[in-house]
Amino acid sequence: DAGVTQSPTHLIKTRGQQVTLRCSPISGHKSVSWYQQVLGQGPQFIFQYYEKEERGRGNFPDRFSARQFPNYSSELNVNALLLGDSALYLCASSLGLATTDTQYFGPGTRLTVL
Amino acid sequence: GENVEQHPSTLSVQEGDSAVIKCTYSDSASNYFPWYKQELGKRPQLIIDIRSNVGEKKDQRIAVTLNKTAKHFSLHITETQPEDSAVYFCAASNSNSGYALNFGKGTSLLVTP
Repeated sequence: DAGVTQSPTHLIKTRGQQVTLRCSPISGHKSVSWYQQVLGQGPQFIFQYYEKEERGRGNFPDRFSARQFPNYSSELNVNALLLGDSALYLCASSLGLATTDTQYFGPGTRLTVL
Repeated sequence: GENVEQHPSTLSVQEGDSAVIKCTYSDSASNYFPWYKQELGKRPQLIIDIRSNVGEKKDQRIAVTLNKTAKHFSLHITETQPEDSAVYFCAASNSNSGYALNFGKGTSLLVTP
């Protein structure tokens, strides 16, 4: 079975630009979550989507937005990039919305903001 | 919101020794506690998890214990091997936190031959 996939692998942007990151969940999984991992820290929750609806949101500014498509894939958008947005962005998929549903992570997108 | 503290931040052991990593959490509603292993440049991978109705769970050389009264849980790795070297993250989750995983800051484990 294919695992969670993310694209692109790496991105370099400049301050003020906008970026879109993409995630495809494991087949059969209906929930996608996004996390930001700054170097040397644990992942921080950004969003969770289930059945195309936002079901959870972390403590991130409105510059961050996301959506989920009918095929359960997802996009994370970040506007007006800041240097501090440089991080590894991880997508995780799970079967459903239960807190006990295992979340499987993708390889991440490494975003560098110059 | 939920706050997860993890200790130690770095841990160095000799091959064959045991390693223990400890986490505490703040929200008594948390009911799911996974542990992830992340090798350099790779994705976090689930190694073991425990749910709040269980006190201990074991999978070969790895075990996790949970003390809900004290709000702490621990990862135990026995007979460590060099390939166990990685960063380990604990996490806690409950429906009050929007189904999110709240992670600790990680423990960098080094197993020396």
